[in-house]
Amino acid sequence: GQNIDQPTEMTATEGAIVQINCTYQTSGFNGLFWYQQHAGEAPTFLSYNVLDGLEEKGRFSSFLSRSKGYSYLLLKELQMKDSASYLCAVKGSNYQLIWGAGTKLIIKP
Amino acid sequence: GAVVSQHPSRVICKSGTSVKIECRSLDFQATTMFWYRQFPKQSLMLMATSNEGSKATYEQGVEKDKFLINHASLTLSTLTVTSAHPEDSSFYICSAQGTGDWGELFFGEGSRLTVL
Repeated sequence: GQNIDQPTEMTATEGAIVQINCTYQTSGFNGLFWYQQHAGEAPTFLSYNVLDGLEEKGRFSSFLSRSKGYSYLLLKELQMKDSASYLCAVKGSNYQLIWGAGTKLIIKP
Repeated sequence: GAVVSQHPSRVICKSGTSVKIECRSLDFQATTMFWYRQFPKQSLMLMATSNEGSKATYEQGVEKDKFLINHASLTLSTLTVTSAHPEDSSFYICSAQGTGDWGELFFGEGSRLTVL
């Protein structure tokens, strides 16, 4: 079967750094996305990785290792507004997105 | 980035009535749109893929006679929940694939349906 695993919930402190991991087992791989979803709102696109390595975009970075079926989203200089769910999604062999259940990130002052 | 607008954002209806949700791509043409449902504290569940000018492709377990999808133009797809029941209460989200190199999805604001 196909599945994507990410922690259910994480807590971090304002100003700190947090890493949200995502492991996947899919039939085929055509890219991995990270989305941010605030409570009661629709997801918004954060990053895309299709090759191994680190993609940096401001305070957010995303890493991919295709051989390990592993990605992480790194958030630096955490702000209270970063409190949200972070969804990992993989584009499989048929180019459809397979979604993880999301990681709820709680930022404390 | 591309803009997708969804309406209404919230709707409350009585059991047995039908509800229509609209999804529009405002600044690009979307030949394909996706409809998701999300229950509290759960991930997005793809319901169907909406294709302009043709029938929608439904995921396994989704009743196509209950969730009617119409994609009449390149900028509009509609989802109609027919004879809604309380168990249909959920957050419904549409999305369209952008025209960028990555093919990322742009989501509408979502529609929270409450069936009494």
